[in-house]
Amino acid sequence: GAVVSQHPSWVICKSGTSVKIECRSLDFQATTMFWYRQFPKQSLMLMATSNEGSKATYEQGVEKDKFLINHASLTLSTLTVTSAHPEDSSFYICSARDPSNYGYTFGSGTRLTVV
Amino acid sequence: QQQVKQSPQSLIVQKGGIPIINCAYENTAFDYFPWYQQFPGKGPALLIAIRPDVSEKKEGRFTISFNKSAKQFSLHIMDSQPGDSATYFCAASVETSGSRLTFGEGTQLTVNP
Repeated sequence: GAVVSQHPSWVICKSGTSVKIECRSLDFQATTMFWYRQFPKQSLMLMATSNEGSKATYEQGVEKDKFLINHASLTLSTLTVTSAHPEDSSFYICSARDPSNYGYTFGSGTRLTVV
Repeated sequence: QQQVKQSPQSLIVQKGGIPIINCAYENTAFDYFPWYQQFPGKGPALLIAIRPDVSEKKEGRFTISFNKSAKQFSLHIMDSQPGDSATYFCAASVETSGSRLTFGEGTQLTVNP
């Protein structure tokens, strides 16, 4: 089945620094990838949709300058949290859509802690 | 119109019981209805999915029932086990347009030994 690899699985960073999270589709080409944020005991909140070779589409209320998304190839999308602050601490999850079967496969998530 | 309403918020059953989780939607354009299972600290994993041309789908111990006229679908877990304890999310999308998944609020299931 389709596999999406997300790295790192957890990261601790200092306030003011930037953190990059990678999302790779391992056995299929993903023209569309999605980035979610999840708070404890809550549902997944879509942050942005990234399409290969074009600018990401951000959901209302998500700061595009803080959460930089790059989808430079059909198998890799990255989310960079810039100038991180403690309130950015959360669980970030990526998802990729396999166009051959319309399925959505999720990465294992990244736990970001900003201290 | 994009919302998917999920209930209950939490559910506790005994081993062997049949927990049922319900979801309702408004957008009649939705044509893909997956269920995801999520363990703490992990990403969601697809359990089973249904399309509106069928009313029921079974995969192992998991069954989706789909009622198109009522715009409702539900997940049944047969012979539940403690290892099924997790958070379950229903979702919906307009599959052919490649649109995003709209998630329900989630149900935290606990199966006691």
